[in-house]
Amino acid sequence: LAKTTQPISMDSYEGQEVNITCSHNNIATNDYITWYQQFPSQGPRFIIQGYKTKVTNEVASLFIPADRKSSTLSLPRVSLSDTAVYYCLVGDENNYQLIWGAGTKLIIKP
Amino acid sequence: NAGVTQTPKFQVLKTGQSMTLQCAQDMNHEYMSWYRQDPGMGLRLIHYSVGAGITDQGEVPNGYNVSRSTTEDFPLRLLSAAPSQTSVYFCASRPDRGDGYTFGSGTRLTVV
Repeated sequence: LAKTTQPISMDSYEGQEVNITCSHNNIATNDYITWYQQFPSQGPRFIIQGYKTKVTNEVASLFIPADRKSSTLSLPRVSLSDTAVYYCLVGDENNYQLIWGAGTKLIIKP
Repeated sequence: NAGVTQTPKFQVLKTGQSMTLQCAQDMNHEYMSWYRQDPGMGLRLIHYSVGAGITDQGEVPNGYNVSRSTTEDFPLRLLSAAPSQTSVYFCASRPDRGDGYTFGSGTRLTVV
């Protein structure tokens, strides 16, 4: 099972672009990279998933280099409401035992 | 769609009591799972199910039982509650293929 490494915490300011990087050196050929967001007292919420290169949706972009040993979640023009914990997970569709690390606690300041 | 519904939202148990945490989803997802989350930590998988009638153990299964008699419901039973089981419990589901998990809002359990 591929493990991931993320910064424990990050600070930024409203209106800035925030990039959170995740390392996954042991990623397997069939593994996808998935990011979740969790607010206090709530369950995690799916943000974005990708396999290679770049994926973009209405809330974030995910950048994955060719070697796939890392990935970067990009949040454009953050607001105070983006303050949350962000988790990076790696696994394939048949991997039902994903490993959740402690995530990155992102604090957005006014 | 209601998504994933968990009940109750809060529960206090005495050591040795048993109870069942309910989880239901209306998205026809085959895969369902139960996690626990302790303060400042990520989620740990307790049990999971890949379809009705099929269940398996996750990382921390001891002290918990599950069953999956229908696609919609995946209850988690605490056999004899212990203070170490004080935690927030999340139920999640996902389709067989596709995007990530949909989580419930959680059950905050305190065992005294």
